[in-house]
Amino acid sequence: QPQLQESGPGLVKPSETLSLTCSVSGVSVTRSSYYWGWIRQPPGKGLEWIGSMYYDGSTFYNPALRSRVTMSVDRSSNHFSLELRSVVAADTAVYYCVGHRGVSGCPAYWGQGTLVSVNS
Amino acid sequence: QSALTQEASVSGTVGQKVTLSCTGKSDNIGTYTVGWYQQISHGTPKIVMFGDSLPSGIPDRFSGSKSGTTASLTISGLQPEDEADYYCSVWDYSLSAHVFGGGTKVTVL
Repeated sequence: QPQLQESGPGLVKPSETLSLTCSVSGVSVTRSSYYWGWIRQPPGKGLEWIGSMYYDGSTFYNPALRSRVTMSVDRSSNHFSLELRSVVAADTAVYYCVGHRGVSGCPAYWGQGTLVSVNS
Repeated sequence: QSALTQEASVSGTVGQKVTLSCTGKSDNIGTYTVGWYQQISHGTPKIVMFGDSLPSGIPDRFSGSKSGTTASLTISGLQPEDEADYYCSVWDYSLSAHVFGGGTKVTVL
């Protein structure tokens, strides 16, 4: 059973890049059939899927965010990362890193989440 | 607007059976397995059902089903600790993306 833990700055200025890392323990990020992704939840709102990726570099992004998102995997450190560029106040949210089996599998493994605020 | 449609709220008394629905399209619910998540007091969401399969540790008063493009989560014998927000989620092959419902707030009266 994978355990996931997010890390990164809690405050980002408008127009800058939000960068988060998810450390994975209990399973290798290169484990066959495991996908790794990010989900966010603005204060008082619902869940929004940001994207998922496989260790071979295959990525799937939310069409609404695709132009601003990059995800990557670091096999040596067993973690994966999220970059969201040109942030605005509406990007303020709790960001969760997640894992799921198969590209169409629903995320079963969640980090505890980290609040990122976009504010000058 | 969410890709999947859920009731905004559902309520019931202790011991009552309640059913939550999640309506989508053939591109998503009609083809893939729906996951249901429980989020208590804005904590970390926890998966409570995948299709009709109960994850380890989830009480068997939770059950899931699907008919066409609508999935359902039933709580048989509602308990006070079941008060939470519930979200459905599924893969959409036309979008190549996971989509979520807007969430249903379950209140135990």
